[in-house]
Amino acid sequence: QTVVTQEPSLTVSPGGTVTLTCASSTGAVTSGYYPNWFQQKPGQAPRPLIYSTGNKHSWTPARFSGSLLGGKAALTVSGVQPEDEAEYYCLLYYGGARVFGGGTKLTVL
Amino acid sequence: QVQLQESGPGLVKPSQTLSLTCTVSGGSISSGNYYWSWIRQPAGKGLEWLGHIYTSGSTGYNPSLKSRVTISIDTSKDQFSLKLSSVTAADTAIYYCAREGSESYWGQGTLVTVSS
Repeated sequence: QTVVTQEPSLTVSPGGTVTLTCASSTGAVTSGYYPNWFQQKPGQAPRPLIYSTGNKHSWTPARFSGSLLGGKAALTVSGVQPEDEAEYYCLLYYGGARVFGGGTKLTVL
Repeated sequence: QVQLQESGPGLVKPSQTLSLTCTVSGGSISSGNYYWSWIRQPAGKGLEWLGHIYTSGSTGYNPSLKSRVTISIDTSKDQFSLKLSSVTAADTAIYYCAREGSESYWGQGTLVTVSS
């Protein structure tokens, strides 16, 4: 069974920069996995942030960016704001199926 | 703007079939080339992709649930549906419907509890 792995938790200071990663048990993540990133705050539905590696939705703040880094998908938040404290999930495409990562709890302290 | 709304019973008995419908508004479910998905989230846990259906009707399912999941689409009603058979308490979760792709939208989710 395919497993997608994310850091369980990360902490960043306001104004700082943090990178979250997303790894696949099948090997290096490439653009062909069409990495997506979602932000979820308590009691809310997930909100899409990034699709197809690095493309932003119209509502995605400029401080969020997606890329491939060292064989993983990556989400970088530059100039972190207190409201960025949330759970972040990546999603990878495996042909006709999709697999979510376990999520990263981002704390802004 | 496209909106999605899940609907269906909030309580299902063990061994029965869970049935949910997602109604799409603000745009036709047939317009554009999109995958329409079902995702769930048990309380305090992560997201699990259940499956999706293309506007043409082709489907893809989570291999771990494939034998129990059926997704269908009714373009005349701008709806797509989820059926999950032989449910147990482990299927208790918030169920979300969503549209994949460059213009991705999610419903607010609906809690389904499996209990006798």
